[in-house]
Amino acid sequence: SQTIHQWPATLVQPVGSPLSLECTVEGTSNPNLYWYRQAAGRGLQLLFYSVGIGQISSEVPQNLSASRPQDRQFILSSKKLLLSDSGFYLCAWSGQGETQYFGPGTRLLVL
Amino acid sequence: LAKTTQPISMDSYEGQEVNITCSHNNIATNDYITWYQQFPSQGPRFIIQGYKTKVTNEVASLFIPADRKSSTLSLPRVSLSDTAVYYCLVGERGTGRRALTFGSGTRLQVQP
Repeated sequence: SQTIHQWPATLVQPVGSPLSLECTVEGTSNPNLYWYRQAAGRGLQLLFYSVGIGQISSEVPQNLSASRPQDRQFILSSKKLLLSDSGFYLCAWSGQGETQYFGPGTRLLVL
Repeated sequence: LAKTTQPISMDSYEGQEVNITCSHNNIATNDYITWYQQFPSQGPRFIIQGYKTKVTNEVASLFIPADRKSSTLSLPRVSLSDTAVYYCLVGERGTGRRALTFGSGTRLQVQP
């Protein structure tokens, strides 16, 4: 069966520091991968999605970037965090169908 | 992507049936309707998906009228553990590349 992992689960970072969040998927090949951000009490905002290695599409201009160095690995990064980057970051994958399967999430607090 | 409209919140009691309706007036011919459930500090979880009429699984039922401009998620005999946010999404099936647009969802509170 397929599983999706995210780490770390929680992260507290100072403003201006770099960020690296990792997401890996097991049990499937060539998944579509997604990064979402959720502000407190709000819906999910799609940040990036990828249909293959090295292929990244950005949905909103922002302080973040994404990379996909391997088929089942998706990384969310920032060179300098802003206060507004705080939130709950979710990675998801999908196969041929529309259904997306989400990871456990990373809660990021920028101080 | 078709925009969806859901009630912000709903309250219910244990053992009752809960129906959450979603409006999607601009749904396209190739669009499917999907519902997700999200508990606090967790990622959304797929509940059910349908195109027309009725779909039922072990968790819920999805009712879609002929014009497909709305859909209703039905949760039979809810329990306290069904307290969560429920999202209705509309998107084209089969591409996998189309990003899902999550609205604010419906916050369901189940009371004892």
